[in-house]
Amino acid sequence: DVKVTQSSRYLVKRTGEKVFLECVQDMDHENMFWYRQDPGLGLRLIYFSYDVKMKEKGDIPEGYSVSREKKERFSLILESASTNQTSMYLCASSFPWAGGENTEAFFGQGTRLTVV
Amino acid sequence: KQEVTQIPAALSVPEGENLVLNCSFTDSAIYNLQWFRQDPGKGLTSLLLIQSSQREQTSGRLNASLDKSSGRSTLYIAASQPGDSATYLCAVRGGYQKVTFGTGTKLQVIP
Repeated sequence: DVKVTQSSRYLVKRTGEKVFLECVQDMDHENMFWYRQDPGLGLRLIYFSYDVKMKEKGDIPEGYSVSREKKERFSLILESASTNQTSMYLCASSFPWAGGENTEAFFGQGTRLTVV
Repeated sequence: KQEVTQIPAALSVPEGENLVLNCSFTDSAIYNLQWFRQDPGKGLTSLLLIQSSQREQTSGRLNASLDKSSGRSTLYIAASQPGDSATYLCAVRGGYQKVTFGTGTKLQVIP
């Protein structure tokens, strides 16, 4: 079974702190994604990575950065946390679409971050 | 920019009823479409994946169809059960491997 693991289920941080959210997958997937989910807004893509050290901005990258030093690990960084970054954060991984069948996206259990 | 819409936003049905959830997308140049289920406070569980060349996929009581040219997909749930209560999300994979989500349909199946 594919497993995508996020390091924390719940986090409480103070405004201005630097926050790291970690995501690890065990299926050798090239693609990894970070989303945030807010009521009424659905899932919005923050950043994605299609290979080690490669990254692309999603729809709402402001205030975030990412790091992918190893294929299995994709980190989301909040440089200076703010209250409007309180949200549920979801990590996902998949094989890239290359005409094949096995391109399902698999998700972690989510990290609920509260910034106070 | 791809936009994905799900209607209705919420649905309440009695147990045993068959039901249809709708998903529409604006850019038909997609690689695939995936349906997910999300329980409160949890991550997403994949239900069905339909490739752009396919018309439908089935898994147990679930059947998903795809009409790429009209930008529509439906998820059909047969003989609904209280355990089916959850939020259902559709997502399309398009250019640059991006996956775009709808805002979901919250389903409640009443015993």
